[in-house]
Amino acid sequence: ETGVTQSPTHLIKTRGQQVTLRCSSQSGHNTVSWYQQALGQGPQFIFQYYREEENGRGNFPPRFSGLQFPNYSSELNVNALELDDSALYLCASSLQGYSNEQFFGPGTRLTVL
Amino acid sequence: DQQVKQNSPSLSVQEGRISILNCDYTNSMFDYFLWYKKYPAEGPTFLISISSIKDKNEDGRFTVFLNKSAKHLSLHIVPSQPGDSAVYFCAASLTYSGAGSYQLTFGKGTKLSVIP
Repeated sequence: ETGVTQSPTHLIKTRGQQVTLRCSSQSGHNTVSWYQQALGQGPQFIFQYYREEENGRGNFPPRFSGLQFPNYSSELNVNALELDDSALYLCASSLQGYSNEQFFGPGTRLTVL
Repeated sequence: DQQVKQNSPSLSVQEGRISILNCDYTNSMFDYFLWYKKYPAEGPTFLISISSIKDKNEDGRFTVFLNKSAKHLSLHIVPSQPGDSAVYFCAASLTYSGAGSYQLTFGKGTKLSVIP
């Protein structure tokens, strides 16, 4: 069974740029959720994708957007990067309708300069 | 407004003793609770969960207790081992339409140090 994978591991961008983060869900899972974890904080829910559609969104502006593909992998896109976007971005996969547990990938560390 | 609170940023316990990590929540609609463990430079690892219809769930050395009237849950680790040293996050979710977890709301975490 393959776990959740994310790429890249680390990323450095400058303010105003755009970034795309990628996630492959655990095999057999059909739902992907994205979280932002700032230093010293717990992960904060950004949004969730199920059946290639956004299935819920946290308190994040529209410049945070996502996609889910037919193979259940997902992308998180952030436009017009701000310094406060510097954080660990976590992807979690789950099986909708079967279990509440979400399983996390190792994360992508984004630094915005 | 923090809906899930872990009021102890850190906890130190001797190896072999019990570790008790606490978590409080404010949203009475939460109906499923989870504990995750996180090592540096890794994603959170699922540990144990509990549904609001139960008050206790056990898995090996880990037991989670839920007190709905107090909106409080706790994670007990017995016996504690040095490998348990990590940051522990409490999370809560709201199941809707029987379709599974909508989103997880996390606390800020408690750093557990198990001293050999």
